[in-house]
Amino acid sequence: QVQLVQSGAEVKKPGASVRVSCKASGYTFTDYYTHWVRQAPGQGLEWMGWINPNSGDTKYAQKFQGRVTMTTDTSINTAYMELSRLRSDDTAVYYCARVPGGPRYDSDCWGQGTLVTVSS
Amino acid sequence: QSALTQPPSASGSPGQSVTISCTGTSSDVGGYNYVSWYQQHPGKAPKLMVYEVSRRPSGVPDRFSGSKSGNTASLTVSGLQAEDEADYYCSSYAGSNNLVFGGGTKLTVL
Repeated sequence: QVQLVQSGAEVKKPGASVRVSCKASGYTFTDYYTHWVRQAPGQGLEWMGWINPNSGDTKYAQKFQGRVTMTTDTSINTAYMELSRLRSDDTAVYYCARVPGGPRYDSDCWGQGTLVTVSS
Repeated sequence: QSALTQPPSASGSPGQSVTISCTGTSSDVGGYNYVSWYQQHPGKAPKLMVYEVSRRPSGVPDRFSGSKSGNTASLTVSGLQAEDEADYYCSSYAGSNNLVFGGGTKLTVL
């Protein structure tokens, strides 16, 4: 079945970086974009950006430009999201999601989420 | 991009219908037919309920329906059931390869 499995929870200090992985299975990884969305505790969903595994093209939300890097390793069907210069308000659950691409931006499959805690 | 505007809460009794709104601008909701709705239960990942304004993915009950008028999209849940109690989020394509979410609505089944 279609599945996205993310890496485990992380605890980081302010100023550090974190990398979250998202391994895809059950579908052709390069046929779908991978989007990243985060959710701070008790808050709503916040879109961070996407990567096209086929081309390596990326689009980052303006808020995260300069701090986020999205990559993929198509040999192992895995997407990565790295966020640098972490602050306490980056504490959130980070989700990956697959999106058909083209004009569509809806996600029919999400990872289980990765909790990133930023604390000194 | 600013977040889309949703009411913080909505409620209804079992069997009733409830409608959740999602208001944006002509640059997002009003400009494209790429509005989606997600259901999220506590501690779980979001689940796609409606995409492209009014289309339902396979397996989503037809009690869930979407529509749009101008800059406002709506999700209607008919025949409310206890398991429909959850947070609901809208999202919209916002041009220039960007996506924007709504702030979320907590649906309570009384």
